[in-house]
Amino acid sequence: EVQLVESGGGLVQPGGSLRLSCAASGFSFSTFWMTWVRQAPGKGLEWVANIKQDGTEIYFVDSVKGRFTISRDNAKNSLYLQMNSLRAEDTAVYYCARHSWYAFDYWGQGTLVTVSS
Amino acid sequence: QSALTQPASVSGSPGQSITISCTGSSSDVGSYNFVSWYQQHPGKAPKLMIYEVNKRPSGVSNRFSGSKSGNTASLTISGLQAEDEADYYCYSCAGSDTEVFGGGTKVTV
Repeated sequence: EVQLVESGGGLVQPGGSLRLSCAASGFSFSTFWMTWVRQAPGKGLEWVANIKQDGTEIYFVDSVKGRFTISRDNAKNSLYLQMNSLRAEDTAVYYCARHSWYAFDYWGQGTLVTVSS
Repeated sequence: QSALTQPASVSGSPGQSITISCTGSSSDVGSYNFVSWYQQHPGKAPKLMIYEVNKRPSGVSNRFSGSKSGNTASLTISGLQAEDEADYYCYSCAGSDTEVFGGGTKVTV
């Protein structure tokens, strides 16, 4: 059974940093692109970042470029999102998802990030 | 990259059919057959319902179908059931380095 479990969310002050993790199991993690998607409270889904199987290709939505980094450790079946210079508008539930031919076929349960003073 | 345009809400009675539209541009929906649809119940993670415009993942009811014409994709739910009440999001590839979701549609049964 495919499982994606996010962790690392919480309350952080504006300008602060947070690192999200996503533990994957039940599939060959190293053979899939992976993605972070976020959802602000009461709002829609927003694609945040993608990372290729070997980490050699990485893409971000414009609003987080230069502030967020995405990485993965295939030996640990884990995906990460390092978020720096956080803003109030980054407040959202962050989901990791398996990216399979331009569709997200499995999702984690999400982790809430709240940016507030 | 702008979000794809979906109606804010669509409603129907049990047993009826409804269609949700998803309008993009020649840079996304119109250029790629990588349109997918997601169902999200309150407090839950999204679930893939349709991929590559009109393909259903294993386990998804055949009451859900997808199509595309030009820059607009559509999701049709036939034989509407109470459990179909949820938010629905479309998605499209918009090039090798960007992806975009629609704003979401609340379906009321």
